[in-house]
Amino acid sequence: TQLLEQSPQFLSIQEGENLTVYCNSSSVFSSLQWYRQEPGEGPVLLVTVVTGGEVKKLKRLTFQFGDARKDSSLHITAAQPGDTGLYLCAGSFLNDYKLSFGAGTTVTVRA
Amino acid sequence: DADVTQTPRNRITKTGKRIMLECSQTKGHDRMYWYRQDPGLGLRLIYYSFDVKDINKGEISDGYSVSRQAQAKFSLSLESAIPNQTALYFCATSDTGLAGTYEQYFGPGTRLTVT
Repeated sequence: TQLLEQSPQFLSIQEGENLTVYCNSSSVFSSLQWYRQEPGEGPVLLVTVVTGGEVKKLKRLTFQFGDARKDSSLHITAAQPGDTGLYLCAGSFLNDYKLSFGAGTTVTVRA
Repeated sequence: DADVTQTPRNRITKTGKRIMLECSQTKGHDRMYWYRQDPGLGLRLIYYSFDVKDINKGEISDGYSVSRQAQAKFSLSLESAIPNQTALYFCATSDTGLAGTYEQYFGPGTRLTVT
C-alpha cells in the first residue's frame, strides 16, 4: 500500500516557467524528504523537513511542510533544463524505522 | 570514489537462475537497505538491516534473501529469478540522523532483466 501520493505524475514545462509538485499522506509524518533522480543514477537527497509549517529554500527550489505534517510541496522558480528529473518524496512515520516513498513526479524542462 | 557502490550495474539472466547483487559502502553507516524501482511504483523496500546482526523484511521480500557480511557490505540474492523481478535495484545507507529522519544515500543501481 502506497502511503504517500505525489502529483502530478508527469510535468513538462518551458524553460523559465515555475512548477510545483505535491506530496500528500493521510498519516502524520515524523519527517519528510525530497530526492531528485536522474536517468542511470540513484536518487540524491535534496532536503529534509521535520517541523510543521517549515519552509526551506535551496537556490531556486522552495520546500514547504504542511502545518499538520501530512503534506509537502516542492516549488521550482524559473525552471532550467538541468532541473529535469524524477522528484521523489519520502516520509518516515512515528514508530516506523524506515522510509516510505511516493511514486515520483517526472519533470521535463524544455529549452 | 563513490560512497555507495553496486555490482553489477547491468545483468541479464534467465528464469530460474540464482543471482546475487552486491553493495558496498564507505560512509560508515550502520543501516543499509535494498529497494526495487518499477515505473509508476516508486521505490519499494525489499530488506533492511540496522546492523550486522539485524535483518528485517520490507514490504516486498518474497523471492529475495539478503546477507550482511560486514558493516560495509549488504548483498541481495534472487534464489530463482522470475521475469517479474525485472527492475532497477538500489542499495542505500543511512545514519540515525536528526530525530530519526533516516536520510538515504543511494548507490547507482543495478538494472536486472530476467528473460
